[in-house]
Amino acid sequence: EVQLVESGGGLVQPGRSLSLSCTGSGFTFGDYGVNWFRQAPGKGLEWVGFIRREAYGVTTQYAASVKGRFTISRDDSKSIAYLQMDSLKIEDTAMYYCTTETGSGLSDYWGQGTLVTVSS
Amino acid sequence: DIVMTQSPDSLAVSLGAGATINCKSSQSVLYSSNSKNYLAWYQQKPGQPPKLLVFWASTRESGVPDRFSGSGSGTDFTLTISSLQAEDVAVYYCQQYYSTPYTFGQGTRLEIK
Repeated sequence: EVQLVESGGGLVQPGRSLSLSCTGSGFTFGDYGVNWFRQAPGKGLEWVGFIRREAYGVTTQYAASVKGRFTISRDDSKSIAYLQMDSLKIEDTAMYYCTTETGSGLSDYWGQGTLVTVSS
Repeated sequence: DIVMTQSPDSLAVSLGAGATINCKSSQSVLYSSNSKNYLAWYQQKPGQPPKLLVFWASTRESGVPDRFSGSGSGTDFTLTISSLQAEDVAVYYCQQYYSTPYTFGQGTRLEIK
């Protein structure tokens, strides 16, 4: 069974950093890209960024709202993708989801999410 | 950025009746080289992550009941639920994965009348 589990969320002050992890199981992690999305409380879904699989050069792209502050990386030997979030803002408060990415951009499997709250 | 607009924002339907949700993109999401529409539909129930229902605009994900169907091409798309069940109460989102930033519609809340 394909599973994705996000971890690392919590309460953090504005301007500080937080690192999220996305651990995959039940599939060959390295065969997939990883998308990160977020959803502010009571709001809709927003794409944060992605990291392609090694066959596509492990390239990354980011939403304009997080570019220069967030960094996505991966360690296929551990089946983990990371979302490093620096210079956090109050508006980054959201549930963060990771998904598998099929190579065409489509997100098929989603994790349960991890909540990030940015507040003083 | 491609803007996705769904209608209606909310919908109340009787059990067993049909429901239709529309989604319009600000530019075509049809990739001419493979004739595929880069459009997906997701269902999100309270406290849960989104669940993929339909991709390539009309291909139902494995395990999704056949009462769910997607249609459309280019800029206009529809998700149809043929006979509403109680477990279909959720928010439904369309999403384009044609180009980054991948964008979603604002969501349509489906309730039982």
